[in-house]
Amino acid sequence: AQSVTQLGSHVSVSEGALVLLRCNYSSSVPPYLFWYVQYPNQGLQLLLKYTTGATLVKGINGFEAEFKKSETSFHLTKPSAHMSDAAEYFCAVSSAPFGNEKLTFGTGTRLTIIP
Amino acid sequence: GAVVSQHPSWVICKSGTSVKIECRSLDFQATTMFWYRQFPKQSLMLMATSNEGSKATYEQGVEKDKFLINHASLTLSTLTVTSAHPEDSSFYICSARSGAIYEQYFGPGTRLTVT
Repeated sequence: AQSVTQLGSHVSVSEGALVLLRCNYSSSVPPYLFWYVQYPNQGLQLLLKYTTGATLVKGINGFEAEFKKSETSFHLTKPSAHMSDAAEYFCAVSSAPFGNEKLTFGTGTRLTIIP
Repeated sequence: GAVVSQHPSWVICKSGTSVKIECRSLDFQATTMFWYRQFPKQSLMLMATSNEGSKATYEQGVEKDKFLINHASLTLSTLTVTSAHPEDSSFYICSARSGAIYEQYFGPGTRLTVT
């Protein structure tokens, strides 16, 4: 079984400030971890993913995340927030190829950017 | 590359009627497609997984006779909501993956409103 917990359903940061969105996972096998962004009335866009190898993963739009096995975390960060970053962010876990390929999503974090 | 489309993007239907939603992979062959449902301000919940040429595998609690899924080709999967009721109103999102690539590409979603 696998699960994802996103701490903070709403996060507000000032434009130019650090963005930190938290994600903790639970998985009985080595996980594949993903961050997706969703803009209103749209599907999901992949920001970045961790499968194997380097634990610091860089994605699109200046986002990055670090896989910390000891903390079972995969927090998403961006050094300087931009107004266009305002959206819903979902963390997800999969156990493929070690097990089930299904994605299990967290409940999402709505990011608001304050001008 | 890896573009997934959905049609229609928005549909309104009357209670008791059926509605079909299409999911297409435009530039790759999708061996597996997934259908998700998303209620307002909530996360995505997997409804079913379908492999080309096989019957779909439904998640627990999803009525397979109500949500008919067909994955007849490597580029097309359809979800038919039969005898729709207002509680079926939701945002339906499909995703697709190809072969051994354990990444799902998401469609833009279809908003269904049942009146």
